[in-house]
Amino acid sequence: QVQLVGSGGGVVQPGGSLRLSCAASGFTFSSYGMHWVRQAPGKGLEWVSFILYDGSYKSHADSVRGRFTISRDNSKDTVFLQMNSLRAADTAVYYCVRDRHGNYAFDYWGQGTLVTVSS
Amino acid sequence: QSALTQPPSASGSPGQSVTISCTGTSSDVGGYNYVSWYQQYPGKAPKLMIYEVTKRPSGVPDRFSGSKSGNTASLTVSGLQAEDEADYYCSRSYPGSNNWVFGGGTRLTVL
Repeated sequence: QVQLVGSGGGVVQPGGSLRLSCAASGFTFSSYGMHWVRQAPGKGLEWVSFILYDGSYKSHADSVRGRFTISRDNSKDTVFLQMNSLRAADTAVYYCVRDRHGNYAFDYWGQGTLVTVSS
Repeated sequence: QSALTQPPSASGSPGQSVTISCTGTSSDVGGYNYVSWYQQYPGKAPKLMIYEVTKRPSGVPDRFSGSKSGNTASLTVSGLQAEDEADYYCSRSYPGSNNWVFGGGTRLTVL
């Protein structure tokens, strides 16, 4: 079965950096695009970043562009989110999500990893 | 990134039907059939319930159905059950778009 296991979350000071990882299993990782979606405490869902199956295309939300970078290592079935210049507003649970290819939907979600930006 | 508008809450009694709306614009929801819906229980990851406006992934009960009229997509839950009480989010993207957008979410309460 499809599994997405996120890691790397924690507490970081404003202006700091953090790198999230998401290990995939149960499907051919190199054939699927991947997303990061976040949810601030008590708030709704916000799409953050997308990377194409081969890493040739990346897209980021306006709120994180220039600060966050998505990447992947298909040899390790892992997707990453490098987060720099973190702000309090970036505090959220970050979900790693598989793209439902061709349908513009999110079909499998990881369990989420919490990032807290606080001094 | 234009937002999608959802009512903050909806409710119904067991056995009834409830419809949750998701309003966009003619450039996104109205122009393409790429609206999806997600169910989320507190403290849990969301789950895909509907994609491409009307399609259900394998394993989703047929009590859940999707539709669209103009710039508004809708999720209908028929034969409400206690386990349907959750938050529901719509989302959209489309060919040529470089982003995905969620609605603000609707909390469904089963009375």
